[in-house]
Amino acid sequence: DQQVKQNSPSLSVQEGRISILNCDYTNSMFDYFLWYKKYPAEGPTFLISISSIKDKNEDGRFTVFLNKSAKHLSLHIVPSQPGDSAVYFCAASRYYGGSQGNLIFGKGTKLSVKP
Amino acid sequence: DAGVIQSPRHEVTEMGQEVTLRCKPISGHDYLFWYRQTMMRGLELLIYFNNNVPIDDSGMPEDRFSAKMPNASFSTLKIQPSEPRDSAVYFCASRSVAGELFFGEGSRLTVL
Repeated sequence: DQQVKQNSPSLSVQEGRISILNCDYTNSMFDYFLWYKKYPAEGPTFLISISSIKDKNEDGRFTVFLNKSAKHLSLHIVPSQPGDSAVYFCAASRYYGGSQGNLIFGKGTKLSVKP
Repeated sequence: DAGVIQSPRHEVTEMGQEVTLRCKPISGHDYLFWYRQTMMRGLELLIYFNNNVPIDDSGMPEDRFSAKMPNASFSTLKIQPSEPRDSAVYFCASRSVAGELFFGEGSRLTVL
């Protein structure tokens, strides 16, 4: 059973527009959420995270929104650039005892930003 | 720091052969993870170590898979015997207690 779901395998957006990537989770014990970005032939790299005590975290063009009641988070990229074309993985974990638990990843969404 | 280093980057082998994937974590990181990426299942956690000790191997698909971490700077993932359905990209990742997870570039395995 998938605990972290990314229901859109792919997304295509025009350069300059907003990209919205969605993620749903089922385990209400998750309290830390992350987005990773992966280019072909490279490992995933950390992009942005959010703790469950917040509902929004912003870093430059990237903003993550968390809706705990809906068990839903989203990543907004504004404005989208061709270099943002990559696979984006949503991940979730728990913090307990001061230590971060294992990350559970979604299947990823492939974003294509067209010039 | 050079980051997480994995080898080989690509491996092509025949069904039934033994495959060994290697990983050098970032110095000072005491958690090491092995993930497998496939189109169907995305990124799956296979096993992770804390201070060289295996903590959770529930993601290891079968007894054909084994992993070791003989010291803080080296880990192996072994598949014996390999099967075509093991074809995937295998990632090693490491982190400190409360830090971010850093991934290696992956080992792409093709079993014919």
